[in-house]
Amino acid sequence: QSALTQPPSASGSPGQSVTISCTGTSSDVGAYNHVSWYQQHPGKAPKLMIFEVSKRPSGVPDRFSGSKSGNTASLTVSGLQAEDEADYYCGSYAGSNNAGSHNYVFGTGTKVTVL
Amino acid sequence: QVQLQQSGPGVVKPSQTLSLTCAISGDSVSSNSVAWNWIRLSPSRGLEWLGRTYYRSKWNNDYAVSVKSRITVNPDTSKNHFSLQLNSVTPDDTAVYFCARGLMATGFDFWGQGTLVTVSS
Repeated sequence: QSALTQPPSASGSPGQSVTISCTGTSSDVGAYNHVSWYQQHPGKAPKLMIFEVSKRPSGVPDRFSGSKSGNTASLTVSGLQAEDEADYYCGSYAGSNNAGSHNYVFGTGTKVTVL
Repeated sequence: QVQLQQSGPGVVKPSQTLSLTCAISGDSVSSNSVAWNWIRLSPSRGLEWLGRTYYRSKWNNDYAVSVKSRITVNPDTSKNHFSLQLNSVTPDDTAVYFCARGLMATGFDFWGQGTLVTVSS
């Protein structure tokens, strides 16, 4: 199972918006609405920001939004703030094999810089 | 509030076994609505899901194809924790290892603090 493809970097000024893409295949992102997004600050554990393509866990600001079209999911951060500078990873359920074993795949990661 | 506390050695010799434990508070390893996962982060591989254990009338496991022949994830109901064993490690297994609660469908919502494991002689 190959990693999902993300751009290595993205940037924006405070108050602007940035959108990160996450491209998979018809066996993972395209097949299921089970895409999640994680934010990771240096030295910290990842934090769940979006699940099931576009849902936000309690406490996540509505500046964070998710969407999907075909094999590509996207995360948009609106009204960029300094604390949004972090690495972002997508993840997707990738189905099960003939033995019934389930699999999960992460994206390659995107470093978001707030200029 | 769910908390996950990891423990285990930070250095493992090549060909030996990496062993980590994740202690759960605020939830139960035997819960029939969540799963308990191991995930690692390395500069070369990024984030990589390794495996999980979960209880649905019986204990179940899933493992990533990349480590399937070397990995075991086990629950311990008496201590309310779960463990990771990765056999025959090489320097390529050097990474920060995380335990996490969650389902593949809805994401991983609680994470341990992470353990840097270096494979070196």
